[in-house]
Amino acid sequence: ELKVEQNPLFLSMQEGKNYTIYCNYSTTSDRLYWYRQDPGKSLESLFVLLSNGAVKQEGRLMASLDTKARLSTLHITAAVHDLSATYFCAVDMLYSGYALNFGKGTSLLVTP
Amino acid sequence: DTAVSQTPKYLVTQMGNDKSIKCEQNLGHDTMYWYKQDSKKFLKIMFSYNNKELIINETVPNRFSPKSPDKAHLNLHINSLELGDSAVYFCASSQDRTGKLFFGSGTQLSVL
Repeated sequence: ELKVEQNPLFLSMQEGKNYTIYCNYSTTSDRLYWYRQDPGKSLESLFVLLSNGAVKQEGRLMASLDTKARLSTLHITAAVHDLSATYFCAVDMLYSGYALNFGKGTSLLVTP
Repeated sequence: DTAVSQTPKYLVTQMGNDKSIKCEQNLGHDTMYWYKQDSKKFLKIMFSYNNKELIINETVPNRFSPKSPDKAHLNLHINSLELGDSAVYFCASSQDRTGKLFFGSGTQLSVL
């Protein structure tokens, strides 16, 4: 069974600080996805990481993938309040119609 | 135009009733999905449907049945609703092996 584990599950950080969210998964996969969900809203795709060593950046967020370690990170630089949301990582479930298996999510709160 | 749309947005009903949630995508995607998000925000795949091939998560009760009249639609029918079915149900679609999902806005189901 594919397991996707995120940590931390809850994160409160001050504006201007840096932090990293970790995503570990249990079986071989070379594709990793990050999504953002605002309260009461749908999920928005942030990053699609398709190979070992992939790194993508958008604004204050940067995601990376190490398929050998089965680890992805989402790094937040100089956090601002607008980044407050829940962040999910997800991994392909091979031979399952391309469905994604999601981690439990990291609820991020950025405070002044 | 909304890429993945689902209706209704809110659904309040009594235990034992039968209800349906509709989903339509105008992206021309080949694969559609239903996910359930519980009160702890955990996202669980229920079904994926691709070219008339249905892949079912074995943990989903058979009271839940997806119905696809055509490639652009995947509806979710639920029989004999139970309290534990209360959750947010998300429809999603994807085009190819990259697996990036596009989500609908969700249906908040409350079973009383």
